[in-house]
Amino acid sequence: EPEVTQTPSHQVTQMGQEVILRCVPISNHLYFYWYRQILGQKVEFLVSFYNNEISEKSEIFDDQFSVERPDGSNFTLKIRSTKLEDSAMYFCASSKVVGRGEKLFFGSGTQLSVL
Amino acid sequence: SQQGEEDPQALSIQEGENATMNCSYKTSINNLQWYRQNSGRGLVHLILIRSNEREKHSGRLRVTLDTSKKSSSLLITASRAADTASYFCATDAGSGNTPLVFGKGTRLSVIA
Repeated sequence: EPEVTQTPSHQVTQMGQEVILRCVPISNHLYFYWYRQILGQKVEFLVSFYNNEISEKSEIFDDQFSVERPDGSNFTLKIRSTKLEDSAMYFCASSKVVGRGEKLFFGSGTQLSVL
Repeated sequence: SQQGEEDPQALSIQEGENATMNCSYKTSINNLQWYRQNSGRGLVHLILIRSNEREKHSGRLRVTLDTSKKSSSLLITASRAADTASYFCATDAGSGNTPLVFGKGTRLSVIA
C-alpha cells in the first residue's frame, strides 16, 4: 500500500540553526500538509499546500517556517532559526483532494529536538 | 474553535472488554473522523461519520454522532492488546481547504 515517507526520523539541532524536514507524499495525491505534536499534546495543524502554493496556515506557521515542493516528489518544511519550543514530532500528510470527508494519510513523523 | 476534545485522556481496560472514547467539539461540522496513533508513529484513519449520519460501524468499531450535543463516541468492542494506541477525533467544519482539526486524544491501554 502506498505510504507517506518522512526523513529523517530523528533530528537534533542547536537553537538558532536551520532545519529541513523532508517528506515524500503518496504519488497521486495533490494536497500536502504539515502537522506537529508536542509530546503528549494535541496534533496541531501548521500548513496545507496545493498547486505549488500555501492554501492555509495556522498561527504557528510564522515567518520562521516555509514549505516547498522542490521537485515532483518531495515536500519540505524548513525552520529558519529553531527555538527550543519548536521541539516536537512533525508529521507530513497528503490527500487526493481536500474538503468534505477526505481522509489524510500521515507519515511516521520526524522527531525534532532543539537543544 | 471547532477543535475536538476527547475524554477520557487515558483509559486502561482488560483484553476482551469494550472501550468507549468520547469527543466533543464546538462548532457545526461537515464530518468527523477518528484516527489511531501507535506510539511514535503517524496517525492512521479509522472511520468517518458525516453530519447527517448518527451511527456507523466498521469491524469492531462503532462510531456515533450527536450533532445536537456536538459529540461523538468511538466504541471498540472485544478489545485486544494490539488496540493499545492513542485515538484522536478530527473535525472538518468548513469548505474548500479547511484543514482537519485534531483533539488531544485518548490513550488506550489494553492489558492482556
